[in-house]
Amino acid sequence: DVKVTQSSRYLVKRTGEKVFLECVQDMDHENMFWYRQDPGLGLRLIYFSYDVKMKEKGDIPEGYSVSREKKERFSLILESASTNQTSMYLCASSPRVEWMGGNTIYFGEGSWLTVV
Amino acid sequence: AQTVTQSQPEMSVQEAETVTLSCTYDTSESDYYLFWYKQPPSRQMILVIRQEAYKQQNATENRFSVNFQKAAKSFSLKISDSQLGDAAMYFCAYRTLAGGNQFYFGTGTSLTVIP
Repeated sequence: DVKVTQSSRYLVKRTGEKVFLECVQDMDHENMFWYRQDPGLGLRLIYFSYDVKMKEKGDIPEGYSVSREKKERFSLILESASTNQTSMYLCASSPRVEWMGGNTIYFGEGSWLTVV
Repeated sequence: AQTVTQSQPEMSVQEAETVTLSCTYDTSESDYYLFWYKQPPSRQMILVIRQEAYKQQNATENRFSVNFQKAAKSFSLKISDSQLGDAAMYFCAYRTLAGGNQFYFGTGTSLTVIP
């Protein structure tokens, strides 16, 4: 089974702190994603990466950065946490698309971040 | 960017009955993938069913089936013989074949199953 592991399930941070959310996948997937999930807004893509050291902005990258130094690890960084970044953060990975069969995306359990 | 719309924020169904969750999407692509994911309360999101756009036949997985209308850009999920364990948030998703093969998600439908 594919495993996507997020380092912290629940975090409470203070405004202005630098926050690191770590994610590791064990299936050698090329693509990795960070989403933010808020009630009524669904999943919104923050950043994704399709290869080591490659990153692309998603729909809401402001206030976030990412790092992918190794294929299995994709980190989300909140440079200076703010209260409006209180949310659930979901990491995910997927292989590149194959024409036959189609591939899915595999999610971690989520990290609940509260910024006070 | 593609958009995925789920117009039903909440739905409820009696146990053993059938319910249909709606999803529409907007795209100019001819080839893509569509998915339904289930997120139980406080649990991991998992794949329910997948549909390739080039296939005309609707996908089925046990009690779950889809009604894929490519021209109408509609992708609804039918859950037959609903069970208590089906209670969850359901997300419709679109996967593009372009660029980084991104996934685009709808806002979700919260399904309640009434005993």
